[in-house]
Amino acid sequence: SQQGEEDPQALSIQEGENATMNCSYKTSINNLQWYRQNSGRGLVHLILIRSNEREKHSGRLRVTLDTSKKSSSLLITASRAADTASYFCATDLQGAQKLVFGQGTRLTINP
Amino acid sequence: EADIYQTPRYLVIGTGKKITLECSQTMGHDKMYWYQQDPGMELHLIHYSYGVNSTEKGDLSSESTVSRIRTEHFPLTLESARPSHTSQYLCASNDYTHNEQFFGPGTRLTVL
Repeated sequence: SQQGEEDPQALSIQEGENATMNCSYKTSINNLQWYRQNSGRGLVHLILIRSNEREKHSGRLRVTLDTSKKSSSLLITASRAADTASYFCATDLQGAQKLVFGQGTRLTINP
Repeated sequence: EADIYQTPRYLVIGTGKKITLECSQTMGHDKMYWYQQDPGMELHLIHYSYGVNSTEKGDLSSESTVSRIRTEHFPLTLESARPSHTSQYLCASNDYTHNEQFFGPGTRLTVL
């Protein structure tokens, strides 16, 4: 199976609620990144967490990394309709010098 | 907004045609990448380059070819397009000091 697996595959919540997405991976990483993709567009980098970091914040985003479980989570607090998009985790594998993307979580924020 | 451009944004062509998808970046990045993405699916790396005259095949087998004659330009060519090539193609770049990649808007290719 894939290096980066995300769940859920799709998530639908009400505006104002928090959204949590999870990513699991299989091999050792240098860092893990989260990207957002609006429908039919390119990806936009959101946040990067290094393998020696456990938690990172950026505005309404909170990312955690548990290297012992080989997993990460992305929390979006106080969601807005504009947060509707697909969210991808990407792992920067040790020795690989390239990113491996998960299959993404499709997030829908209902007004 | 990232300074990375892709043209065309949309392309509909017939089977057997030769096409070139253009990608240019003005950030002076050494590393550039091409990904293929079907709707709602993950990205698959098909080609990458670490600098001028450097090209490598990615994780997903592709019948396309790439070239890197100039730092800012990384075109992808399909010699004979087929319906199985219908997909979205995303170009990205970064430099050696920053791991995050900057993406272009993508080219949505349909081969009839």
